[in-house]
Amino acid sequence: AQSVTQLGSHVSVSEGALVLLRCNYSSSVPPYLFWYVQYPNQGLQLLLKYTSAATLVKGINGFEAEFKKSETSFHLTKPSAHMSDAAEYFCAVSDMMNRDDKIIFGKGTRLHILP
Amino acid sequence: GAGVSQTPSNKVTEKGKYVELRCDPISGHTALYWYRQSLGQGPEFLIYFQGTGAADDSGLPNDRFFAVRPEGSVSTLKIQRTERGDSAVYLCASSPKGGTSYTDTQYFGPGTRLTVL
Repeated sequence: AQSVTQLGSHVSVSEGALVLLRCNYSSSVPPYLFWYVQYPNQGLQLLLKYTSAATLVKGINGFEAEFKKSETSFHLTKPSAHMSDAAEYFCAVSDMMNRDDKIIFGKGTRLHILP
Repeated sequence: GAGVSQTPSNKVTEKGKYVELRCDPISGHTALYWYRQSLGQGPEFLIYFQGTGAADDSGLPNDRFFAVRPEGSVSTLKIQRTERGDSAVYLCASSPKGGTSYTDTQYFGPGTRLTVL
């Protein structure tokens, strides 16, 4: 069975500081990995996804994530936080070999940006 | 273009009642998904449609939950004899062809917040 674990349900960073949101996955087969963002009262929006083409994945809004198989991690980073980055972030995994496409989400990390 | 839309945005009902939640996917998307997001949790998969057929309904919690997509476009999630534990945000997503093996992106709607009193 696949799963993801997000470390820290709440993370606070100062505006301009590095953002690091941690995600570890568990999968018995090669995974697809995703980061989604959910702004208040809005739907989930895909930030980026890993599909085995490259281990460093660049997404929207300056975010990127690196797939590290040896650490089973897919941490999300952004060099400099903006106030507009305050939202809930979900790491997710899907089975590359399974075509029924369900995505397994983590519990989410709420990112707070301090002025 | 228009994204995924869901109606109603909020639904309050009483325990034991029947509810229907509607999802309008992006035009032309053949794959449609329902997820449920409880407070403080990530979304949980319920059911996946490829065209008109339910290709995977393994996430439906019990037989009170049912979903249809009769013409391969709009989908309705139906919940019978609602219980307080059904209270959650119900999310719908669509993708062009279906299958993350095709590296399709799932586009999510804003959700329907269901409250069962």
